Amino acid sequence: KAGVTQTPRYLIKTRGQQVTLSCSPISGHRSVSWYQQTPGQGLQFLFEYFSETQRNKGNFPGRFSGRQFSNSRSEMNVSTLELGDSALYLCASSVQGTGETQYFGPGTRLLVL
Amino acid sequence: DQQVKQNSPSLSVQEGRISILNCDYTNSMFDYFLWYKKYPAEGPTFLISISSIKDKNEDGRFTVFLNKSAKHLSLHIVPSQPGDSAVYFCAASFSNTNAGKSTFGDGTTLTVKP
Repeated sequence: KAGVTQTPRYLIKTRGQQVTLSCSPISGHRSVSWYQQTPGQGLQFLFEYFSETQRNKGNFPGRFSGRQFSNSRSEMNVSTLELGDSALYLCASSVQGTGETQYFGPGTRLLVL
Repeated sequence: DQQVKQNSPSLSVQEGRISILNCDYTNSMFDYFLWYKKYPAEGPTFLISISSIKDKNEDGRFTVFLNKSAKHLSLHIVPSQPGDSAVYFCAASFSNTNAGKSTFGDGTTLTVKP
């Protein structure tokens, strides 16, 4: 089975711009979660989607949003980028998302200048 | 309030010896725990998990111990190998809710010296 894929792998943006990141889960996985990792920090949960619905959301401002398509692929959008948004953005998929193992993609490294 | 804590940012051990990575949690409702390994420029890779109904789970060189009364879990790697050098994250979640999220610690960087 192919693993979780994320595109693009690297991205450079300037303050004020917006960005869209994409995640394709493992085939058959319906839950997709997004995490942010900044230097020296653990993974901070952004949100989780299941069957095209956002089920849970972390403590991030409304500039961070996402969606999920009928094929379980997910996108994350960050509007009005700030310098502090520079991070590694990881998505993880699982079958149901109920306290089971999540499988991570390689991440998208975003640099905001 | 950080619900999952890894108090040691780094650990260095000699090849062939035991590596012990520790993790503490504060929420007693967590009932599913995982360890992930992460290499630079890659996403975390699942290593081993344990349900709260158990106190030990083994998989080859990796063993996870859970002490529910102390809200503490640990990962033992025996014997340690240079290829084990990576950042290790512990994570906790709820098995009975549709949360779809895990709460992660900040990670411990393990260095195994040849």
